[in-house]
Amino acid sequence: DVKVTQSSRYLVKRTGEKVFLECVQDMDHENMFWYRQDPGLGLRLIYFSYDVKMKEKGDIPEGYSVSREKKERFSLILESASTNQTSMYLCASSTDRVGTSPLHFGNGTRLTVT
Amino acid sequence: GESVGLHLPTLSVQEGDNSIINCAYSNSASDYFIWYKQESGKGPQFIIDIRSNMDKRQGQRVTVLLNKTVKHLSLQIAATQPGDSAVYFCAESNYNTDKLIFGTGTRLQVFP
Repeated sequence: DVKVTQSSRYLVKRTGEKVFLECVQDMDHENMFWYRQDPGLGLRLIYFSYDVKMKEKGDIPEGYSVSREKKERFSLILESASTNQTSMYLCASSTDRVGTSPLHFGNGTRLTVT
Repeated sequence: GESVGLHLPTLSVQEGDNSIINCAYSNSASDYFIWYKQESGKGPQFIIDIRSNMDKRQGQRVTVLLNKTVKHLSLQIAATQPGDSAVYFCAESNYNTDKLIFGTGTRLQVFP
């Protein structure tokens, strides 16, 4: 089974802090994704990556950046956390490009910014 | 538990009955569809997928039906069990885009 591991289940940070959310997958997948999930809004794509050191903006990249230095690891960075970034963050990976294979998700990091 | 949606449509079924969860998709160019299950406090879990050159695909206790004419997708769960209680949502995409479009979800409640 594919395993996507997010390092923290719960995080509480203060406004203005720099926040790192880490994600590791163990299936040698090329593609990795970061989503946020909010009640009533569903899943929204923040950033994705199809290769090491490669990144593409999703639908809501503002206030976020990402890093992919190794194939198995994809980090989401909140440069200066704000209260509207309180959310559930989900990392996912896939073998092939979107549209050809399913995404496999981690169990999420629930971030609260106070 | 944590909620993925405040006002999700809810389907309540009795244990042992069959469940049918529906999804209307938006893009007639979509050619790949996925069903996910999300339990409280967990990430979405892949259940089954289907491509547009098929109209039916079966897995273990689950069947996905695709009707491209009316842009409708359904997930059938046979002999529903308490462990099937979760939020279910569909997703659509096509090879020419980098985006997976998710539906808002349906909450399935199984009662004894």
